[in-house]
Amino acid sequence: DAKTTQPPSMDCAEGRAANLPCNHSTISGNEYVYWYRQIHSQGPQYIIHGLKNNETNEMASLIITEDRKSSTLILPHATLRDTAVYYCIVRANRDDKIIFGKGTRLHILP
Amino acid sequence: DTAVSQTPKYLVTQMGNDKSIKCEQNLGHDTMYWYKQDSKKFLKIMFSYNNKELIINETVPNRFSPKSPDKAHLNLHINSLELGDSAVYFCASSQGRGRGVWYGHEQYFGPGTRLTVT
Repeated sequence: DAKTTQPPSMDCAEGRAANLPCNHSTISGNEYVYWYRQIHSQGPQYIIHGLKNNETNEMASLIITEDRKSSTLILPHATLRDTAVYYCIVRANRDDKIIFGKGTRLHILP
Repeated sequence: DTAVSQTPKYLVTQMGNDKSIKCEQNLGHDTMYWYKQDSKKFLKIMFSYNNKELIINETVPNRFSPKSPDKAHLNLHINSLELGDSAVYFCASSQGRGRGVWYGHEQYFGPGTRLTVT
């Protein structure tokens, strides 16, 4: 089973920030938080990852709570092309079991 | 140029048949993977190959056999297909060379192959 819990779906207006939450209350100290997205009929696409500190790249920002039991992916200015299923995954580098849960289906509204 | 390509995109076959899915990556990566996404949309890793050597082999029936002729190709052969094998299969690659290490931030996925077993 996936180690994360995400809302099944969310809506966000185009141009606004999309904030996608993820709970990972059983995360271990050596486990990273990864975010991927899957646009319809395509393979998953890596977005961002982090261990303890907040991270930002050209696609998104990742905010991890101090206790690391939850995180939020932020798409700063959502566009229609951001409509996808977003997966939050926690794992250590040497974990063999890699499971993407059901994710959050993000709808960007024009 | 497509970084990770898979053929075929769709595969419909009957129970009991043997089929193969091909995967090629032109990224020069050392590690390739196969994932299965089932009807509930759970995506799970099946195999990982590093420089033609099997690294990760999840609890997958031995009817599934990955074959890596060279580090740019990782094909998936499935014997005696069953209804439960119906899923979307994704190939992926990453640069990382560490044995047993999943480079989550470097994974490049192919477009997927939708297998339907009737």
